[in-house]
Amino acid sequence: AQSVTQLGSHVSVSEGALVLLRCNYSSSVPPYLFWYVQYPNQGLQLLLKYTSAATLVKGINGFEAEFKKSETSFHLTKPSAHMSDAAEYFCAVSDLNSGNTPLVFGKGTRLSVIA
Amino acid sequence: NAGVTQTPKFQVLKTGQSMTLQCAQDMNHNSMYWYRQDPGMGLRLIYYSASEGTTDKGEVPNGYNVSRLNKREFSLRLESAAPSQTSVYFCASRQSFYEQYFGPGTRLTVT
Repeated sequence: AQSVTQLGSHVSVSEGALVLLRCNYSSSVPPYLFWYVQYPNQGLQLLLKYTSAATLVKGINGFEAEFKKSETSFHLTKPSAHMSDAAEYFCAVSDLNSGNTPLVFGKGTRLSVIA
Repeated sequence: NAGVTQTPKFQVLKTGQSMTLQCAQDMNHNSMYWYRQDPGMGLRLIYYSASEGTTDKGEVPNGYNVSRLNKREFSLRLESAAPSQTSVYFCASRQSFYEQYFGPGTRLTVT
């Protein structure tokens, strides 16, 4: 069964600092991978996705993620944090053996940005 | 194109009362899902429907029932609400291997 591990349930960075949120997956075949963002009192919104094209994927709001098969990782980065980036972030993996089964989500990482 | 819509947005129930949470999507997606989100617990899958006419249990199905009314609509029913079902409920839909689209959520409090 596939699984997703997000290291760190809470990450705190200063405004203007690098944001790095970690995601590792386990899968028998290279999967499709997703990052979602959830702002307070809102639903989840897709930030970016990897679907076996370019390994470096750019998303909304200046975020990007790199798929590294050898490390089974899909870490999310942003060069310079903004106060508006404070939110919860979820990594998810798609089972390519069955398109109908749900995405498998990590537990989430709450990002705080300090002024 | 409204995406995924959920009603109601907020609900307060007394223990033992019943209610149905409604979800609809206008993207012609085959699969639909119900999750609950509690502090520190991430998203937990309650039920899902891979296609019209099918439903399957997720991680936490006890106390809930679902109906896939047609391709657009997927409802979640609480027959006898308990305080442990106080949560935020999200509906989502998806086509094939790609991303899931989420609704705005229903915040439910059971007293």
